[in-house]
Parts: sequence; C-alpha cells; structure tokens
Amino acid sequence: NAGVMQNPRHLVRRRGQEARLRCSPMKGHSHVYWYRQLPEEGLKFMVYLQKENIIDESGMPKERFSAEFPKEGPSILRIQQVVRGDSAAYFCASSPYGDSSYEQYFGPGTRLTVT
Amino acid sequence: LAKTTQPISMDSYEGQEVNITCSHNNIATNDYITWYQQFPSQGPRFIIQGYKTKVTNEVASLFIPADRKSSTLSLPRVSLSDTAVYYCLVGGTTGANNLFFGTGTRLTVIP
Repeated sequence: NAGVMQNPRHLVRRRGQEARLRCSPMKGHSHVYWYRQLPEEGLKFMVYLQKENIIDESGMPKERFSAEFPKEGPSILRIQQVVRGDSAAYFCASSPYGDSSYEQYFGPGTRLTVT
Repeated sequence: LAKTTQPISMDSYEGQEVNITCSHNNIATNDYITWYQQFPSQGPRFIIQGYKTKVTNEVASLFIPADRKSSTLSLPRVSLSDTAVYYCLVGGTTGANNLFFGTGTRLTVIP
C-alpha cells in the first residue's frame, strides 16, 4: 500500500506565477489535510477536504490560495500570484477518518521556492 | 484546540533513555495526546497516542498522569537515527479536524 504521494517534491516559481501542488492520499483514505511549514517552525493547518468537499479552510489565507479534492484524481493546492512569503514546505496528510484523534499519514512534502 | 508547551531542544548520548515532557493544561475531556516525529526534509510520522495512564509500543512509551495536564514521551536507548523534532499534540474533540503542531522539541543524539 503506497503511502501519501506529493508532487512535485521541489517547485521554483517567480513572483506572480501560479503554483500547483498535488497530493494523492493513501488508498482507501477519503480525508485530506494540507499544512504549511516555514523554516524552523511547526506545521500550520491550512485546509481539510473530503472528496468534492471543503470541510474546514480556516487556516487558508483568504486570497490567492485554493484547494480541491475532486472525485477522481489527486487533491490540489493552488497558489496564485505567488510572493516570496509563500516559500515554505507544504505537506499533505490523509486519514481514513475525519477526526483528529486518528493518525494522519503525511507525504514527503513539496518545497516551494519563490524567487 | 489545546495548546501544548514542550522544551525547544534536548541533547542525549547514544544508548540513553530520553524523556520529553509536554504540558497541556487546557486539555479537554475528549482530547487524545499524540506524538509525532519529523526528520529533516520529511513529513511528520505518528509515534504513539494515549488518553490516560501508560501506553507502550515498539518505538516508545507514553506516560500520562491522572490529571492529564502533561504527558511524557519516553524513548528507550536512543540511537543517532532518533535525531529529529518531536511534536506533542492534543486533539480529538468532536469537530476539531486538524492537528495543531507547536514548535516541537529538537532532539539531538550525540555519539
């Protein structure tokens, strides 16, 4: 059973470009979470999705950021018009259940660098 | 979500037992206590979870006193490969879907 997969692992974008980060959850998992980690800091929750539904986006910046988890295919975190402050590691996690008492399985992350 | 407080860093020699304590004074009745481990350039990995008393698995032990306002992760006989950041989290209350990561404890194992 493959783990959570994220791609690309590294992404470089110039200011103003768009960044698309992909996450394929573990087989059988229908709950996906996105987190952002700045250097030397802990992970910060961004958004929680189930198939075709955004359940909680309380950690997502109001502008330029969006997320989706379509019926078919990976979950996508999209950042429009990137700025230098968006440079960070973005982690995706999946779980078979939507309660935070259950283990979340994390992917290897996508490291976004904005130049 | 309950906030946690843990030491920023710890050093230990190989072969020693390491205990990392986490404070969570505002833990809710339904909250579980979970520890994750993160190596550089990797996503966090679940280590252990408990609700009260003691939990042990093949990797670690988790000690939780009766008042549940703190917990201690115990790593027996650490090796160099245990050098990582360890996060203590509390959660599980109905409706709380995400995990709250603090800054964690950076454990450095010295040869």
